[in-house]
Amino acid sequence: GAVVSQHPSWVICKSGTSVKIECRSLDFQATTMFWYRQFPKQSLMLMATSNEGSKATYEQGVEKDKFLINHASLTLSTLTVTSAHPEDSSFYICSATPRRFSPNTIYFGEGSWLTVV
Amino acid sequence: RKEVEQDPGPFNVPEGATVAFNCTYSNSASQSFFWYRQDCRKEPKLLMSVYSSGNEDGRFTAQLNRASQYISLLIRDSKLSDSATYLCVVNIVTKTSYDKVIFGPGTSLSVIP
Repeated sequence: GAVVSQHPSWVICKSGTSVKIECRSLDFQATTMFWYRQFPKQSLMLMATSNEGSKATYEQGVEKDKFLINHASLTLSTLTVTSAHPEDSSFYICSATPRRFSPNTIYFGEGSWLTVV
Repeated sequence: RKEVEQDPGPFNVPEGATVAFNCTYSNSASQSFFWYRQDCRKEPKLLMSVYSSGNEDGRFTAQLNRASQYISLLIRDSKLSDSATYLCVVNIVTKTSYDKVIFGPGTSLSVIP
């Protein structure tokens, strides 16, 4: 079946540095990918929708200059947390929808745990 | 008002009990509905889709009431392995070329021996 791979699974970085998280669809083309953030004991919050070949659409309250999203190909979207601070520590997870399948099909990556120290 | 709301929980039930989760959504453009299960520190996994006619998968029954914008999940004969957070998920049709997938806050279930 369709698989979405996310990398890295765990990352620890120093405050002020930038971290890139990759989301790859392994056996299907994903015109749209979604990025979510989840703080402990809270639900997944949609951050942005990543569209191949165009700018990402950010949800209200999400800083687009801080969370850079690039969807350069049909199989890869990246989220870069710029100038990370401890409050950015969270579980980041992507999801993707295959182009030719039902739009109701959602596949998740394994998620990335970010700790900023 | 949040787009998707759920019972706050947590639910602590004994093995074998029947438990019901409720979910409401506010956006009338919501088109598709799902229940996901999320174990601690893991990605969510699809439990079942929810159809207007209601659908059942083993011990799990999902119901949708579009008029009331209400979704439910019933778990019968609870097992210890059912302990998890249950997320109500709504797919919203937008004016752009993509849909938005919105998660409810989740309801935590602990099944006790």
